[in-house]
Amino acid sequence: QVQLQESGPGLVKPSETLSLTCAVSGGSISDYYWSWLRQSPGKGLEWIGYIYSSGRNNYNPSLKSRVTISVDTSKNQFSLRLSSVTAADTAVYYCAREGYNSGHYYFDSWGQGTLVTVSS
Amino acid sequence: DIQMTQSPSSLSASVGDRVTITCRASQPINNYLNWYQQKPGKAPELLIYAASRLQSGVPSRFSGSGSGTDFTLTISSLQPEDVATYYCQQGYNAPKTFGQGTKVEIK
Repeated sequence: QVQLQESGPGLVKPSETLSLTCAVSGGSISDYYWSWLRQSPGKGLEWIGYIYSSGRNNYNPSLKSRVTISVDTSKNQFSLRLSSVTAADTAVYYCAREGYNSGHYYFDSWGQGTLVTVSS
Repeated sequence: DIQMTQSPSSLSASVGDRVTITCRASQPINNYLNWYQQKPGKAPELLIYAASRLQSGVPSRFSGSGSGTDFTLTISSLQPEDVATYYCQQGYNAPKTFGQGTKVEIK
């Protein structure tokens, strides 16, 4: 069974860049879409974007100008960078795999989540 | 963006009760609808995909139905371990969007 684990700083200063990595174990990163999502009390669950193992990506338009998601297939991991952060970016950040069946995609494996606080 | 609206936002029911949560999409999404369960301090877990298909390992007391804009998640006999917040999510197009959640408690 695939397992995902987020890592990265829990505290980021305003205007700086948030960087997180998701390590995938128990399965290959190939042939799947891999997403970042976040959850804050004010905005609920929000999809940030995904990357395919080939490197093709798609971002939420609300964050697109500040987001970069990359993949390193040699390390079986993918990463999130969110620039120019503000207090509104404080949230629990999750990485997740999109499983698929008969044309339907769904988040079937999740990391445990990591709280990122934006504060000086 | 497709807006997902759940109701109720919270409910309290007795063990053994039948519980129904509804989710409405702001435009037709065929059956591209998934349901998740989230317990406090944990990541969401997939319960149902494609509106009605039970994810492997999920108890059969959970079921889903609907198509187009209106969907339902049903717990046929509420158990103490079902205390959680439930979210619907549309997989019809990007950006993928979630409902605001329904918190289920035991009376």
